[in-house]
Amino acid sequence: DQQVKQNSPSLSVQEGRISILNCDYTNSMFDYFLWYKKYPAEGPTFLISISSIKDKNEDGRFTVFLNKSAKHLSLHIVPSQPGDSAVYFCAAGGNDMRFGAGTRLTVKP
Amino acid sequence: ETGVTQTPRHLVMGMTNKKSLKCEQHLGHNAMYWYKQSAKKPLELMFVYNFKEQTENNSVPSRFSPECPNSSHLFLHLHTLQPEDSALYLCASSQEGGQKNIQYFGAGTRLSVL
Repeated sequence: DQQVKQNSPSLSVQEGRISILNCDYTNSMFDYFLWYKKYPAEGPTFLISISSIKDKNEDGRFTVFLNKSAKHLSLHIVPSQPGDSAVYFCAAGGNDMRFGAGTRLTVKP
Repeated sequence: ETGVTQTPRHLVMGMTNKKSLKCEQHLGHNAMYWYKQSAKKPLELMFVYNFKEQTENNSVPSRFSPECPNSSHLFLHLHTLQPEDSALYLCASSQEGGQKNIQYFGAGTRLSVL
């Protein structure tokens, strides 16, 4: 039972434009949400998080939006840079986290 | 360098072999995790250890046997694996009571079962 879904396996964006990565979850008990970034041959690294009491969290070029009624979160990267090219995983949960399958972002120079 | 080291990075084994994956964290965390990542699938949580005690086993087949001798080390013992067990195995650690649910991952062991 896949409780966290990233329906777009890949996304390609031009450098300088906005990248929007989406994630949907099914469990309304989830109260904490994270995004991880993964480069080839490395493990996922934490990028940004948001708790269910907020609907937006911003950190530099990265902003996460949470829509609890829709059980949807998104990660915005603006402006996108070629170094942002990686696989992005969303994770959701309470004490234990459930991960999506990832979205491969390619930022073209 | 995330502070979580996994060895070996790559492993090829036959179905009758016995091997072990090792994970070591240098972050002073008290929780450790094993995940399996198959191609184009979500990370699947396999085992969770808190303070060296196993707190979760997500219906993992008995051919995978975890061991946590202390809060810094975690092993995954493998025996009589199947080809469908070929995947990237990721170890992670976190601090219970710290920044909630942020896990720090190792680079993984890429396992191929022939």
